[in-house]
Amino acid sequence: DAKTTQPPSMDCAEGRAANLPCNHSTISGNEYVYWYRQIHSQGPQYIIHGLKNNETNEMASLIITEDRKSSTLILPHATLRDTAVYYCIVRRLYSGGGADGLTFGKGTHLIIQP
Amino acid sequence: SAVISQKPSRDICQRGTSLTIQCQVDSQVTMMFWYRQQPGQSLTLIATANQGSEATYESGFVIDKFPISRPNLTFSTLTVSNMSPEDSSIYLCSVEGTGGSLSYEQYFGPGTRLTVT
Repeated sequence: DAKTTQPPSMDCAEGRAANLPCNHSTISGNEYVYWYRQIHSQGPQYIIHGLKNNETNEMASLIITEDRKSSTLILPHATLRDTAVYYCIVRRLYSGGGADGLTFGKGTHLIIQP
Repeated sequence: SAVISQKPSRDICQRGTSLTIQCQVDSQVTMMFWYRQQPGQSLTLIATANQGSEATYESGFVIDKFPISRPNLTFSTLTVSNMSPEDSSIYLCSVEGTGGSLSYEQYFGPGTRLTVT
């Protein structure tokens, strides 16, 4: 799987949008971009994933550049409970079903300030 | 999302012994995975638990040390064998389906915190 690069930490004010960047310049055509987060002492939580189109769900938006070499996770109205380590992961999915496990990097420690 | 439970939630074990961790999910899932999270580190994939066949291990992990069973589509076990202090970690299972509401979304259990003395 391709590697990702994320800033080690970021701060964001409560109520503002948190924009978390991720570089994945060696991503392959059949690799998806996934985002997970891990709140202290809990198992990772799935947030969102996408291939090349922008995606939105109830938690966040995922913006993928046209060349797919980078992406941004957007939490539109950050709250204190969004303080966590956020992991950007690229992952290959197989057309016949099945997928590789997840390869976690160091992630970004997002701290929401009151 | 799936509801996943792990037993035990934590344990303290003596070196040289073995511990079996159970993972139970409330619905049938295609794929189950086991991860390790060492203190202060991010997660590392140990193996993919395949139903009806041997697990597929990642580089650096072997079946003799981490035997895995997956007797059906809702249950798996991971055994940490002949433990040493270096095995002290949080062990997490995760599940994923390839169809329906769990399509390619991997969900994690709460983890088992293991301390080896």
